[in-house]
Amino acid sequence: DTGVSQDPRHKITKRGQNVTFRCDPISEHNRLYWYRQTLGQGPEFLTYFQNEAQLEKSRLLSDRFSAERPKGSFSTLEIQRTEQGDSAMYLCASSKFAGTTVSYTFGSGTRLTVV
Amino acid sequence: GQQLNQSPQSMFIQEGEDVSMNCTSSSIFNTWLWYKQDPGEGPVLLIALYKAGELTSNGRLTAQFGITRKDSFLNISASIPSDVGIYFCAGRSNAGNMLTFGGGTRLMVKP
Repeated sequence: DTGVSQDPRHKITKRGQNVTFRCDPISEHNRLYWYRQTLGQGPEFLTYFQNEAQLEKSRLLSDRFSAERPKGSFSTLEIQRTEQGDSAMYLCASSKFAGTTVSYTFGSGTRLTVV
Repeated sequence: GQQLNQSPQSMFIQEGEDVSMNCTSSSIFNTWLWYKQDPGEGPVLLIALYKAGELTSNGRLTAQFGITRKDSFLNISASIPSDVGIYFCAGRSNAGNMLTFGGGTRLMVKP
């Protein structure tokens, strides 16, 4: 297993266009998370899946954002009608729980630039 | 969004020096994690803490879970140039499954 994989690594798009990012989690991890990180800040939680169910969404996730995890494996994050304020690094993480411990592993992220 | 209070924001130290950084929260957490992030990459887990008072080491890194469950610190001993990067603390509460991150500590090491 090579860890959490995100695609693409970089995306430049014009304002108003739609973009979609993909995340492939570690295979035995049933939980998947999306975070957004702007320059100079720590990552901020967007949404979380357990298997295919989307169980939690942050208020940061506006109506233009939608995430899916159709078969409980990979996930996609779509941003419609992108705005310059959407420019950020989008990080995916997956986790598993083993008794009282938890292991969160992050991908390398997708850097979005909206021009 | 909510973030933990992490300090210092940045440190510029000489190679070989020890480093200490900490995180505080107004909320109780059941798990504290420390990550390192290099430019253009995702955070990489350094140390995970699961119990109040727990002290855990990973090579030259040592982290502790505060007794009040509202704080944690990370120490790096005998720093080397490859320690350069941004260090983040993150906490997880029982109220949710997501992590809440600090604002990061940017570490610069002068050879």
